[in-house]
Formats: sequence, structure tokens, C-alpha cells
Amino acid sequence: AQTVTQSQPEMSVQEAETVTLSCTYDTSENNYYLFWYKQPPSRQMILVIRQEAYKQQNATENRFSVNFQKAAKSFSLKISDSQLGDTAMYFCAFMVYSGGGADGLTFGKGTHLIIQP
Amino acid sequence: DTEVTQTPKHLVMGMTNKKSLKCEQHMGHRAMYWYKQKAKKPPELMFVYSYEKLSINESVPSRFSPECPNSSLLNLHLHALQPEDSALYLCASSHGTGLSGRTDTQYFGPGTRLTVL
Repeated sequence: AQTVTQSQPEMSVQEAETVTLSCTYDTSENNYYLFWYKQPPSRQMILVIRQEAYKQQNATENRFSVNFQKAAKSFSLKISDSQLGDTAMYFCAFMVYSGGGADGLTFGKGTHLIIQP
Repeated sequence: DTEVTQTPKHLVMGMTNKKSLKCEQHMGHRAMYWYKQKAKKPPELMFVYSYEKLSINESVPSRFSPECPNSSLLNLHLHALQPEDSALYLCASSHGTGLSGRTDTQYFGPGTRLTVL
């Protein structure tokens, strides 16, 4: 079984600051994917960024980047130049690469990020 | 286009009612998922359909009955629910083809907020 741990229940930063959300996971699998999703108060779960475990290069998407440390089983999300619209619950999620295609996501408990004006 | 639609947005039902939740995607995805999310908690996997066949059932009570009539449509039939079943029900879809090098990212719908009286 896989577990995902997000140790920061809530974080608050000023607009335009950089913030890092932490995530650690535990698995015996070698092939897997990691994701960060955001869920604003509107409740729509939105993909922020994804990382394949076999790729050493850290994924980036505009202001969002990850620090993936496979040996340490760590997958943190950095948000640069934070904006008011970044206020949301952020979930770290893990999925085993099953080869056959479909498998469920295992989520961490989430970090509530608040961007202050 | 990464749109997954869900209807209805809100549903209130009594414990003796029968109702259905509907999820639709037109992205050609072959895997579809149901998740249950209680307030201030992460989503929990309920069911996975792969190529219109049920592939994962996370020991969900029989009062929840999933159905996948075709590759674009996923239903969740509800009967004799309990008040503790009140939650946000999220549908997701992914390529689900298991193709090498293709990250099987799940895209979520906006959810159905269910209240059981």
C-alpha cells in the first residue's frame, strides 16, 4: 500500500512571494507517477503539475515547479510569484504505473494555501 | 479539451429514495473513476472502470451501484443511502490505455454535492 503525507495543514503568504508545499510518500513500487492538484472553494479538482518517477528532471509549469527527490521519496511544490487566485487546497497524489492503464490516485490530506493581498 | 461534466451539481435525497449521478467525457478516455470526498478531507477512490469494465471496487457498500453504459458515460446509482453518505462525489477520466511514456493523468469533473436526509 502507498501512503502520502503532507505535513503542512495550512500556509499563508503574501501575494508575489514564493511558497513551497511539502509532500513525502512511501511505496515499494519503482514505476509510479506523482501529481499536485489544487481544489479552490469552487471544489473543481484541477491538475497543477505531474512527474513521472523514471524522469530525473524536475517538472515545471509556468510559475509552478517541483523538487522530486526519488531516493528521499519527497515531492515538493514551489509556487513563484504567488497570486490571489492560487488560494486553494493543494493535494499531493500518487499513482502506481500498472502497465494496464487505470489505477486510482492516493491523496495526501492536503495543504490549505492562503495568498494574502 | 479536458472537460469532464457531472450532473446534477447538487442533490438532496431521503434515505428511501433512488437517484443517479451522471458523468460524461468526450476525450476518448478509456478509464473512468468515482471518488468520494467528505468535507475537509482528500478524495477517496470508490470505483475504476477500464474499457467499460469494472476493474477496481474499493469495498464500497452495495447501496452504491456503478454503471458504464459506454466509453463516454459513467453513472452511479444510489439506493437506501445513509446520512453519512453525504459528500462530494467526484468523477474523473484518464487515457487508461497503459501506453508506454504516456502519463495517465486523471481529469476531474466539478462534482455532485450529495445530501442525504
